[in-house]
Amino acid sequence: GAGVSQSPRYKVTKRGQDVALRCDPISGHVSLYWYRQALGQGPEFLTYFNYEAQQDKSGLPNDRFSAERPEGSISTLTIQRTEQRDSAMYRCASSLTDLQYEQYFGPGTRLTVT
Amino acid sequence: ELKVEQNPLFLSMQEGKNYTIYCNYSTTSDRLYWYRQDPGKSLESLFVLLSNGAVKQEGRLMASLDTKARLSTLHITAAVHDLSATYFCAVDGETSGSRLTFGEGTQLTVNP
Repeated sequence: GAGVSQSPRYKVTKRGQDVALRCDPISGHVSLYWYRQALGQGPEFLTYFNYEAQQDKSGLPNDRFSAERPEGSISTLTIQRTEQRDSAMYRCASSLTDLQYEQYFGPGTRLTVT
Repeated sequence: ELKVEQNPLFLSMQEGKNYTIYCNYSTTSDRLYWYRQDPGKSLESLFVLLSNGAVKQEGRLMASLDTKARLSTLHITAAVHDLSATYFCAVDGETSGSRLTFGEGTQLTVNP
């Protein structure tokens, strides 16, 4: 079956612009996670949802970052007024539930802020 | 703060040799995960270890978990070039719920 998909795969934006990154989880997966991965590092947790409810947003770096999952399926991570330090790979993962431990990762969106 | 430490961070080995990657963590979580990442690719789940003493094997890779020592190992037997990748361990802490905290990764290169 289809895995986790993300779009766009690559995004180049100018400093100060807003960007929206999309994640489409595996069908039927209740839990959706956002991570950020710097080059040569492991992924770093940002936020996660069960259905449409945001359960934990403690990893969001500041209030320029927000995420939503209004219908409990597709999620959008929005970064406002982007800065160069926001450049990274943004990865989405999903799991059947948050008690079903295995998280399946998407291909990621490579964000470059110039 | 939950910390996950892997060593070594870089490992170059010959085909046919054995080696072990270590993952130490600071929480009391009983759940540990191993992922593989090829260059430019996403993370592929290898093993999910859910209890003390858990051991799982897939091909030339075997993972184990000692929750008392807060240590997991990934053992490579008779390495082949196809195993070249970066390997991450991750933990979800008892106070952090489902969020995974990853180690820095071990970049493995298997030379012919």
